[in-house]
Amino acid sequence: DTAVSQTPKYLVTQMGNDKSIKCEQNLGHDTMYWYKQDSKKFLKIMFSYNNKELIINETVPNRFSPKSPDKAHLNLHINSLELGDSAVYFCASSPRWVTEAFFGQGTRLTVV
Amino acid sequence: AQTVTQSQPEMSVQEAETVTLSCTYDTSESDYYLFWYKQPPSRQMILVIRQEAYKQQNATENRFSVNFQKAAKSFSLKISDSQLGDAAMYFCASPIQGAQKLVFGQGTRLTINP
Repeated sequence: DTAVSQTPKYLVTQMGNDKSIKCEQNLGHDTMYWYKQDSKKFLKIMFSYNNKELIINETVPNRFSPKSPDKAHLNLHINSLELGDSAVYFCASSPRWVTEAFFGQGTRLTVV
Repeated sequence: AQTVTQSQPEMSVQEAETVTLSCTYDTSESDYYLFWYKQPPSRQMILVIRQEAYKQQNATENRFSVNFQKAAKSFSLKISDSQLGDAAMYFCASPIQGAQKLVFGQGTRLTINP
């Protein structure tokens, strides 16, 4: 059983399109995150949710909109994709924010 | 601002030897956790080891151990008997109290020479 799963693994799309990445965790964790890893491998948090409530929005363009229908799911919708959005996006979860995060396998988004 | 710094962008080691990856952090908290993650070419983020700041004893997981110096805010990872499968990016990470997020260092790319 995959603990944190995100789909799709790869996403290639044209500029201006809208796309979504889905994430589900079966660990019973309260907190979920979206991280962005750029081409230099730097990992930066984008959003944090605790029990479906948005806790952190790290100066992310409002073209990015997370949605948490329940505490096991955290999806990421991106409008009007730009070349600079190309990156690997990771979903993660943790039982509490002070503990370690468990990561999904990442989604490599390529905007052409 | 609370930060995590890895000053070694790249490291290499001969197979079977020992290598130490450095990490320094900055926090105003008295109790916190520190983590090392491994990211192999598969890009999966894998937790290698964690340290609880209130524990004096350094954490150990098989060939992986940490040297935690709380006063110096240093948290290095030692890999003993390096294996080819240890080749990966290694990230140091620390949660930020009150901000509910895990902050990562810039990463160290470790190469294992056969």
